[in-house]
Amino acid sequence: KAGVTQTPRYLIKTRGQQVTLSCSPISGHRSVSWYQQTPGQGLQFLFEYFSETQRNKGNFPGRFSGRQFSNSRSEMNVSTLELGDSALYLCASSLEVAGGSGNTIYFGEGSWLTVV
Amino acid sequence: AQSVTQLGSHVSVSEGALVLLRCNYSSSVPPYLFWYVQYPNQGLQLLLKYTSAATLVKGINGFEAEFKKSETSFHLTKPSAHMSDAAEYFCAVTPRSSASKIIFGSGTRLSIRP
Repeated sequence: KAGVTQTPRYLIKTRGQQVTLSCSPISGHRSVSWYQQTPGQGLQFLFEYFSETQRNKGNFPGRFSGRQFSNSRSEMNVSTLELGDSALYLCASSLEVAGGSGNTIYFGEGSWLTVV
Repeated sequence: AQSVTQLGSHVSVSEGALVLLRCNYSSSVPPYLFWYVQYPNQGLQLLLKYTSAATLVKGINGFEAEFKKSETSFHLTKPSAHMSDAAEYFCAVTPRSSASKIIFGSGTRLSIRP
């Protein structure tokens, strides 16, 4: 069974540009969540999608957005990139609710974004 | 608000020694608790989770954690460290009332001395 797949693995963008990251959850998983990991702020929750609907959102500016498709694949977009957006972006999937008692959350290997 | 505190950003132990990574949570209601491990350039892997079934939780790779409500702690232990255990470990919590997002601790980097 394939794990959570994130593309691209590495990318470099220039300040002011926008970026789209993609995540394919484990087959059958309907919940997809996104996290940002930086040395200074650690792991921070961005948002969670379930059945194409955003169910929860972290404390990030509106430049960070996401969506989920009918096949549960998800994308996140960051517009008007800033140097501080350089981070590892992790996608996670679970059968239903992320963090729920019966559900294990599986993480992808992440997308490394460098903003220059 | 839920929060997690990991004591010690870096822990170093000798191979074969006991591993103890500390985690305390703050919550008026016992939450769901997790330990994740992250190897270099990889994502997060679930080690174990507490969901109120049993206070002593056994995970993968010989790790276990004990939930102590009176101490609001969920420390991770392993009796004998192996070189392959060197990694970053994250304690995490999700509230039962809103189980759709995980709050992570700041992480503890575990080093193993030969």
